[in-house]
Amino acid sequence: KQEVTQIPAALSVPEGENLVLNCSFTDSAIYNLQWFRQDPGKGLTSLLLIQSSQREQTSGRLNASLDKSSGRSTLYIAASQPGDSATYLCAATDSWGKLQFGAGTQVVVTP
Amino acid sequence: DTGVSQNPRHKITKRGQNVTFRCDPISEHNRLYWYRQTLGQGPEFLTYFQNEAQLEKSRLLSDRFSAERPKGSFSTLEIQRTEQGDSAMYLCASSLQGARYTEAFFGQGTRLTVV
Repeated sequence: KQEVTQIPAALSVPEGENLVLNCSFTDSAIYNLQWFRQDPGKGLTSLLLIQSSQREQTSGRLNASLDKSSGRSTLYIAASQPGDSATYLCAATDSWGKLQFGAGTQVVVTP
Repeated sequence: DTGVSQNPRHKITKRGQNVTFRCDPISEHNRLYWYRQTLGQGPEFLTYFQNEAQLEKSRLLSDRFSAERPKGSFSTLEIQRTEQGDSAMYLCASSLQGARYTEAFFGQGTRLTVV
């Protein structure tokens, strides 16, 4: 059974610093790895999707890497802003599209 | 299309009552998923449909829970005889099978509080 772990559980940084969020998974037979953002009391917003054959994906200030062999993905957010404060979730997708989530990393960016 | 839509956004019910939630997926998406999220945890898979067929149900989905997706369009999730432990955020997601990227898109969720 796939297990996904996110470390750290919480992170607080001053505005302008780069953020590094870690995600590990136990079963390397994943279809995709997807990163989401969740604001308090809201649903999930998809940030980046990395196919299993890819090593990384980039969107604006966001970059996500994937190393299937070691069971790790990392989300980098450059030059953090207070608006980046949220919970970030990673999820491993199987071939049926089912997502196995980590518990998330709660990020606070202070002005 | 404005994305995945869930109704209601919030539901407060008394223990023992039945509740029903609705999810309208992105129109061309043939896969629809239900997840449940409790405070401080990531969402947990409940069930999913491909078109109108329910293909898998998690062990989390007790016999008090039932889900339907008539005609492969919207879906409903019903909880009978609600218990306080059912209090959670219920999330719906949809995706397109066969697309190059099986990217899942989520709705805003339905927050259930059982009192």
